[in-house]
Amino acid sequence: KQEVTQIPAALSVPEGENLVLNCSFTDSAIYNLQWFRQDPGKGLTSLLLIQSSQREQTSGRLNASLDKSSGRSTLYIAASQPGDSATYLCAVRPGYQLIWGAGTKLIIKP
Amino acid sequence: SQTIHQWPATLVQPVGSPLSLECTVEGTSNPNLYWYRQAAGRGLQLLFYSVGIGQISSEVPQNLSASRPQDRQFILSSKKLLLSDSGFYLCAWSVLDSSTGELFFGEGSRLTVL
Repeated sequence: KQEVTQIPAALSVPEGENLVLNCSFTDSAIYNLQWFRQDPGKGLTSLLLIQSSQREQTSGRLNASLDKSSGRSTLYIAASQPGDSATYLCAVRPGYQLIWGAGTKLIIKP
Repeated sequence: SQTIHQWPATLVQPVGSPLSLECTVEGTSNPNLYWYRQAAGRGLQLLFYSVGIGQISSEVPQNLSASRPQDRQFILSSKKLLLSDSGFYLCAWSVLDSSTGELFFGEGSRLTVL
């Protein structure tokens, strides 16, 4: 059974720092992995999608990596800003249904 | 570009009342459509998904039902709400027959059952 774990559950860092969010999964048989951001009381915004054949994807200050063999993905945020404060969720797609992590709540202190 | 609309954004309903949440997608054809629920402090739970008009798959036995009367319209319903139906409901879509399977979400509907 596929399980997705996100560590840490919460993270608070000063503005300007580079940071890494972690996502691990137990079964490497996935089609892709997707990172989302959720602001309080809002829907989810897709940040990056990494196909199973890819190693990383970049969008602006965000870089996501995927290592299927070790069952790990990282989301790297460069030069963090207060506007980056949100909950970040990762999800893997082994089939039609996504398997979700519980999320990392990120707070960027001005 | 594709957009997804979901309404109402917020509603407060008494126990035993009916429910109807609506979701529409614009800018794409024949999408996969999904209803998720996010309870307070908990993860996302897939409730229903649909690969076409009238084709609904239910993931969890519950007090809710879903319908897809048109290609880009997905409706979540209940005949009689329970307290446990309270939560944040999210509609999502992805491209059908695509290897990417990227999922896009609406803004959500917060339901409080009293």
